[in-house]
Amino acid sequence: QKEVEQDPGPLSVPEGAIVSLNCTYSNSAFQYFMWYRQYSRKGPELLMYTYSSGNKEDGRFTAQVDKSSKYISLFIRDSQPSDSATYLCAMSGERDDKIIFGKGTRLHILP
Amino acid sequence: DTGVSQDPRHKITKRGQNVTFRCDPISEHNRLYWYRQTLGQGPEFLTYFQNEAQLEKSRLLSDRFSAERPKGSFSTLEIQRTEQGDSAMYLCALQGSTYEQYFGPGTRLTVT
Repeated sequence: QKEVEQDPGPLSVPEGAIVSLNCTYSNSAFQYFMWYRQYSRKGPELLMYTYSSGNKEDGRFTAQVDKSSKYISLFIRDSQPSDSATYLCAMSGERDDKIIFGKGTRLHILP
Repeated sequence: DTGVSQDPRHKITKRGQNVTFRCDPISEHNRLYWYRQTLGQGPEFLTYFQNEAQLEKSRLLSDRFSAERPKGSFSTLEIQRTEQGDSAMYLCALQGSTYEQYFGPGTRLTVT
């Protein structure tokens, strides 16, 4: 079993829809949770960075962490074609530790 | 702008050749990380530096790989005797002021 599981997709949704992206993990030591967005042939771009359980909102993006279920989510409201990218969940045990990534979910927003 | 540049952006080399990549932070950062990303996978940790000291190396970093950060600023990653399995995106990341990691644009290596 991999430490971080993420459905690779692709996930196609119409413009304006709410997108839900999810990851599960097995290592209960993870405390820091991140979501990165990666466009083709570019480096990952940090979207959300959260500590422990709870919700965090930033504009159209909401990150949720449920440590009891070892489950994290990213919601994108009012999705736009420019949101089409690969979304990588990531996590670490200590705040300055190496990051463990999921495989990424390819998202397509259809105009 | 993530504050880090990588050079070259794309490198094509023949199997058996040596290659070197460079990561240049725009400003001072204590921690610098290297990751490798193959097609369809998330980035995987290779190694990291605290200033000029290399503190951890992944098992992915075989003895053909070496990384340096001589003055605690820029870093280089060298691969000797490249193999086709080394084809990947090599990513450099810097630790921000609140411990998040910001990635550079990456160097895409193709070994023919």
